[in-house]
Amino acid sequence: KNQVEQSPQSLIILEGKNCTLQCNYTVSPFSNLRWYKQDTGRGPVSLTIMTFSENTKSNGRYTATLDADTKQSSLHITASQLSDSASYICVVSANYGQNFVFGPGTRLSVLP
Amino acid sequence: ETGVTQSPTHLIKTRGQQVTLRCSSQSGHNTVSWYQQALGQGPQFIFQYYREEENGRGNFPPRFSGLQFPNYSSELNVNALELDDSALYLCASSLGGQSSQPQHFGDGTRLSIL
Repeated sequence: KNQVEQSPQSLIILEGKNCTLQCNYTVSPFSNLRWYKQDTGRGPVSLTIMTFSENTKSNGRYTATLDADTKQSSLHITASQLSDSASYICVVSANYGQNFVFGPGTRLSVLP
Repeated sequence: ETGVTQSPTHLIKTRGQQVTLRCSSQSGHNTVSWYQQALGQGPQFIFQYYREEENGRGNFPPRFSGLQFPNYSSELNVNALELDDSALYLCASSLGGQSSQPQHFGDGTRLSIL
């Protein structure tokens, strides 16, 4: 069964600190892996997209990694800001983009 | 700003009724995907349309149906509404029907079933 798991479920950090969110998947055939940020009451916003051959991709303070062998990905946030408070969702695209499997998300709270 | 707009923003229906949700894609995007997001959970893929044809479907019953129009705007229709259909419905547009293209999401329609 195609599945995406994320950990931790929620995370609280202080402003300025770094954090790493995890994503494990069992999706086949794998097409690509995406990380999204979703603010409360808004639609998700794309952070990174990685294909099978890419093992790291950055977008400002966000850096995603992908290990296609172990089927794991991580999203690292450096120098966190209050505006980083949101849900971060890992999504794996299967069947050449004709199916998208979403993880449940990690709820990040950044405190002053 | 994503350029994807959805209407209405909120809607209340009763069990057994039918509903139509609308999505206007970002300019130039010919692919649209629809998702259901229950409270506190990640979105679930409903289906995708590319150039007016269904291009992929998730694990949703046939009472969930869609349309994509020549201007690439889209509708999601749900018949025989059930209480579990209460959720945020998101649409996302992208370019070219290719899996590696980024998706741009609207802010969703909040559907409540009484």
